[in-house]
Amino acid sequence: HLQLQESGSGLVKPSQTLSLTCTVSGGSITSGGYSWSWIRQPPGKGLEWIGYIYHTGSTYYNPSLKSRVTISVDRSKNQFSLKLTSVTAADTAVYYCARRDCSSASCFVDYWGQGTLVTVSS
Amino acid sequence: SYVLTQPPSVSVAPGQTARITCGGNNIGSKSVHWYQQKPGQAPVLVIYYVSDRPSGIPERFSGSNSGNTATLTISRVEAGDEADYYCQVWDSSSDLVVFGGGTTLTVL
Repeated sequence: HLQLQESGSGLVKPSQTLSLTCTVSGGSITSGGYSWSWIRQPPGKGLEWIGYIYHTGSTYYNPSLKSRVTISVDRSKNQFSLKLTSVTAADTAVYYCARRDCSSASCFVDYWGQGTLVTVSS
Repeated sequence: SYVLTQPPSVSVAPGQTARITCGGNNIGSKSVHWYQQKPGQAPVLVIYYVSDRPSGIPERFSGSNSGNTATLTISRVEAGDEADYYCQVWDSSSDLVVFGGGTTLTVL
């Protein structure tokens, strides 16, 4: 059974860099044609797609965040990571890592981490 | 970018049928997926490719999609179905996963 677990700092100062890591267990990050994703949810609000990475290192970012986001993968540790620079209070959210499953017709998320709250505050 | 519109809330009595809509331009041409999110928990996929259910999801959950509206239908609603529900599509033109704003289902 695939499991994803986020880890990283829960408190980040404004203008600094948010860093999170997702550890995948119960399966290999290199198996299948899946992509590994980050999604966030501000308190009391809806879901926002941040971006994804394939095990090959190919990435795609939400245009609204593209200038500040980097997603990377460490195949040896079965992990992928998120860095978000120049954070503000608007970046306060629960951050989820997830697996994206795509066919030629569409993509959806079939596995989610439990989520981790990141607060941006001085 | 592609926009999905959901009603903020839907209320239904136990045992009745809940219908949660998701509006989008010609959404009937897209595959729609639905997630259930209970307070303090991660979302859970309940419907994918319009009407398929992952293993473990009750048959009471079903989906449909036509024209400009997709619908998640929950039959014989139970108190445990109370949650936020999100629709989602993949916008192929931008390779972006798009979520609706979410609908809170209240079981009266």
